Amino acid sequence: KAGVTQTPRYLIKTRGQQVTLSCSPISGHRSVSWYQQTPGQGLQFLFEYFSETQRNKGNFPGRFSGRQFSNSRSEMNVSTLELGDSALYLCASNDGGDIYGYTFGSGTRLTVV
Amino acid sequence: QQPVQSPQAVILREGEDAVINCSSSKALYSVHWYRQKHGEAPVFLMILLKGGEQKGHEKISASFNEKKQQSSLYLTASQLSYSGTYFCGTASGGGADGLTFGKGTHLIIQP
Repeated sequence: KAGVTQTPRYLIKTRGQQVTLSCSPISGHRSVSWYQQTPGQGLQFLFEYFSETQRNKGNFPGRFSGRQFSNSRSEMNVSTLELGDSALYLCASNDGGDIYGYTFGSGTRLTVV
Repeated sequence: QQPVQSPQAVILREGEDAVINCSSSKALYSVHWYRQKHGEAPVFLMILLKGGEQKGHEKISASFNEKKQQSSLYLTASQLSYSGTYFCGTASGGGADGLTFGKGTHLIIQP
């Protein structure tokens, strides 16, 4: 079956702009999580959605938001971009919760200039 | 709090064994292990649950010491394909808290 698909793969934005990233989970997976990966901070949890509901949120400012649609596809939005938002944004899906392994997408590389 | 992984990096010859440790200051419910190669997505290796059994397949196995909140990943007779960065991800609940990842262990296997 198809893996986790993230679009776009690369993105360059200007400081102050906003951006929307998309994630299509593995068919049948209802849980979608988002992570930010940077060389300095490593992998950091952003939020998790299950059946269109946000169940948990990491320690990120309100500029970071997300949503999940009825087909389990998810989007995350970052408003008022800052240089420090430059990172690899990874989406991961599983059958629901931390007791299952996650399948990660290839990520969206966001560069803020 | 972020789990602590050790060592930070290790270089091995093909066929040698490696152990990667992950230690948390919080009570854990689950420990995940992932491997990430440069420019690729992290790939799930295995998960250990509180009260569960030691996991393993072929030459990669892991253990979870609930009393010490520590997990170890064992790579036996390493192959070139084992090279990459290994991350442990921990969760304190059995729900959807999200994983807290360690900073990773860089493993280089040389022929």
